Amino acid sequence: NAGVTQTPKFQVLKTGQSMTLQCAQDMNHNSMYWYRQDPGMGLRLIYYSASEGTTDKGEVPNGYNVSRLNKREFSLRLESAAPSQTSVYFCASSAGLAEQETQYFGPGTRLLVL
Amino acid sequence: GENVEQHPSTLSVQEGDSAVIKCTYSDSASNYFPWYKQELGKRPQLIIDIRSNVGEKKDQRIAVTLNKTAKHFSLHITETQPEDSAVYFCAADTGRRALTFGSGTRLQVQP
Repeated sequence: NAGVTQTPKFQVLKTGQSMTLQCAQDMNHNSMYWYRQDPGMGLRLIYYSASEGTTDKGEVPNGYNVSRLNKREFSLRLESAAPSQTSVYFCASSAGLAEQETQYFGPGTRLLVL
Repeated sequence: GENVEQHPSTLSVQEGDSAVIKCTYSDSASNYFPWYKQELGKRPQLIIDIRSNVGEKKDQRIAVTLNKTAKHFSLHITETQPEDSAVYFCAADTGRRALTFGSGTRLQVQP
């Protein structure tokens, strides 16, 4: 039982390049999330998917797109990377049911945009 | 939207002392309040949570209290140990299952 997995672990991009961050969970969770973590700012929600087939914007969605490929997988795409998107990206999942809100995080992807 | 403020940003205590971290939230509809611990270079991990129908919850050396009227909640760690050193985050959820996090508290426990 791997929990939440993310690929890649680390990536360097040049300004304007695109990339997709992958996330998968094996806990049969309904809800999945993408956060970014910057120093001194905690975790900020980018997008989330409350259930398969739905996605919603979070606090900082600009410059990102997401795809809930199936119940297990939720990807985050940067179409044209900017230095301001240098951050650590965490994917998380939860059962998405009342009284089962606990979010489980993946190991993170460190992204550097030059 | 929801806004969560967390204080202090850094906290240093002697081993064996207690540590208290406080958070306030803005949206009275928030009904779920988890606390996460993040060690350096690691993922955040849930350590305790509380729902709005409960005023206090305890798990060994860790406790959380909630004051709905004042819209604040606190994390209490007793008998601190060096392995408690980490960054702690509070969060709030209005029921949309989208957490809003505080900015974090770096706790350092001095041996």
